[in-house]
Amino acid sequence: DQQVKQNSPSLSVQEGRISILNCDYTNSMFDYFLWYKKYPAEGPTFLISISSIKDKNEDGRFTVFLNKSAKHLSLHIVPSQPGDSAVYFCAATYGGSQGNLIFGKGTKLSVKP
Amino acid sequence: DTEVTQTPKHLVMGMTNKKSLKCEQHMGHRAMYWYKQKAKKPPELMFVYSYEKLSINESVPSRFSPECPNSSLLNLHLHALQPEDSALYLCASSQVQLADSYEQYFGPGTRLTVT
Repeated sequence: DQQVKQNSPSLSVQEGRISILNCDYTNSMFDYFLWYKKYPAEGPTFLISISSIKDKNEDGRFTVFLNKSAKHLSLHIVPSQPGDSAVYFCAATYGGSQGNLIFGKGTKLSVKP
Repeated sequence: DTEVTQTPKHLVMGMTNKKSLKCEQHMGHRAMYWYKQKAKKPPELMFVYSYEKLSINESVPSRFSPECPNSSLLNLHLHALQPEDSALYLCASSQVQLADSYEQYFGPGTRLTVT
């Protein structure tokens, strides 16, 4: 049973436009959400996170939105750059889980020049 | 410094071999993790060490044996592996969970091939 779902395996966006990556979760205990970016043959790189007490967190070109009632979060990248092309993983956890991050299957973003 | 280092980068081993993967961090983190990632799949948690003590073992076969010699180092000892154990093995570290901080920082991984 997938607790964290990324239903779009891939996304293609033009350079300069907005990229929107989506993530849904099923476990109501999750109270902290993270986005990671992964290039081939490298480990995941932490991008941005959000606590369940917030509905938005922004860091430069990256903004994460959380809709608790819909159990949905999204990552917005504006403007998208070719260097953003990578696989993006959504992850979720909760206090008391001792660091057990549950990852989605990832979305491969391609930003075309 | 947000770097987690892992050695070796690549490892090929036979099913009768014994080998070890190593991970090191100097961020003062007291929680360290081993994950396994198969191709086109998300990382899956194997072990968690908190203050150098094993706190989570996600039903991992005994052919994988973790060790945390000190707060900066994490090892994964491998013995009698199967070809299906071939994967990318990722190490991560984090602060022990605080109210607002769950970020884990990952190393580049060791690409393991079992022949």
